[in-house]
Amino acid sequence: QQQVKQSPQSLIVQKGGISIINCAYENTAFDYFPWYQQFPGKGPALLIAIRPDVSEKKEGRFTISFNKSAKQFSLHIMDSQPGDSATYFCAASLNTDKLIFGTGTRLQVFP
Amino acid sequence: DTGVSQDPRHKITKRGQNVTFRCDPISEHNRLYWYRQTLGQGPEFLTYFQNEAQLEKSRLLSDRFSAERPKGSFSTLEIQRTEQGDSAMYLCASSPGTGSEKLFFGSGTQLSVL
Repeated sequence: QQQVKQSPQSLIVQKGGISIINCAYENTAFDYFPWYQQFPGKGPALLIAIRPDVSEKKEGRFTISFNKSAKQFSLHIMDSQPGDSATYFCAASLNTDKLIFGTGTRLQVFP
Repeated sequence: DTGVSQDPRHKITKRGQNVTFRCDPISEHNRLYWYRQTLGQGPEFLTYFQNEAQLEKSRLLSDRFSAERPKGSFSTLEIQRTEQGDSAMYLCASSPGTGSEKLFFGSGTQLSVL
């Protein structure tokens, strides 16, 4: 019930394309869903986050789509750039307590 | 640098030795978390503090692991009698409030147990 399942494991996208990463959760009590970006040798950095009372949140080129009934949420990166090449983690928490992370998606954007 | 600071960045030790890592959170951040990350995996929760109080410990945290945050500022994570399975990146994170919103991570301590 505490798991967050993330797919795909890796993703290759051409510059200017759309990158889509998906996550599914089981615990319907989760109430906070962030996405983190991690570059090699660095800790994860918060990218964007959503609460279950909204279905979509957009910040610049990054959008979270949230489907409460399906218990799924996804990250969309529009106009993907080589600088977006990193590992992306979804996460979930209850009462914004400890974060439970997905297994990560390695994104490579080629020029 | 006003981010989360971790020391050392890298630690190589022999099996059976004790190691201690330090984390300096962002100033005035009340929450401090420790996570462990192995290659190709997401961070796994170990423990967290609200000020100086340790509020939760993961079942992953065996009794060889101990964490402290004595004055509600910096924190230490000690691993006694290290095992090869302890090899991982140990990440510290802090947040300004009472939860994991706006969680800022340090760059981690990479532990290699030979």
